[in-house]
Amino acid sequence: KAGVTQTPRYLIKTRGQQVTLSCSPISGHRSVSWYQQTPGQGLQFLFEYFSETQRNKGNFPGRFSGRQFSNSRSEMNVSTLELGDSALYLCASSVGLAGQLDTQYFGPGTRLTVL
Amino acid sequence: QKEVEQDPGPLSVPEGAIVSLNCTYSNSAFQYFMWYRQYSRKGPELLMYTYSSGNKEDGRFTAQVDKSSKYISLFIRDSQPSDSATYLCAMSRQGGNQFYFGTGTSLTVIP
Repeated sequence: KAGVTQTPRYLIKTRGQQVTLSCSPISGHRSVSWYQQTPGQGLQFLFEYFSETQRNKGNFPGRFSGRQFSNSRSEMNVSTLELGDSALYLCASSVGLAGQLDTQYFGPGTRLTVL
Repeated sequence: QKEVEQDPGPLSVPEGAIVSLNCTYSNSAFQYFMWYRQYSRKGPELLMYTYSSGNKEDGRFTAQVDKSSKYISLFIRDSQPSDSATYLCAMSRQGGNQFYFGTGTSLTVIP
């Protein structure tokens, strides 16, 4: 079974630009979660999509948005980039269970650098 | 205060040593406790998880949860250079996939 794939793996942007990151989950998984990972803050939850609907959201500004398509692939968009947005963005896919542990499988991440 | 605290290290040990990695947390509602391992330039991968209190063993790895102290540990016996990675603890209140992660502890096992 293929794992979670993320594209691109590396991105360099300048302040004020916008960026779109893509995630393809494991086949059969309906939930996709996005995380921002930085050395000081660790993994911080951005949002989760399940069956094309945002099911949960973390405490990030509205510049961070996402969507999920009918094939469960997901995109994350960051508008008006700031230097502090430089981070590793991780996507995690899971079946989408509730009430019991829903194991998340992570992709390799997209390393975003904002200059 | 963060809900999950983890000493970032770095931790450096000789091959064969016993490694102890720890996290503390503040939310008593956490019921699932997980340990992830993250190699450089890779995403985290789930090592093991426990539900509620107690111990769980998987090969050289043992996870312990002490809910009364809000403290969890991961022990690695007979550590190997291939164990060199960042170890992240994660917790969940009621299952599902809303996880709260620690910042990770960087471990290097020296041959």
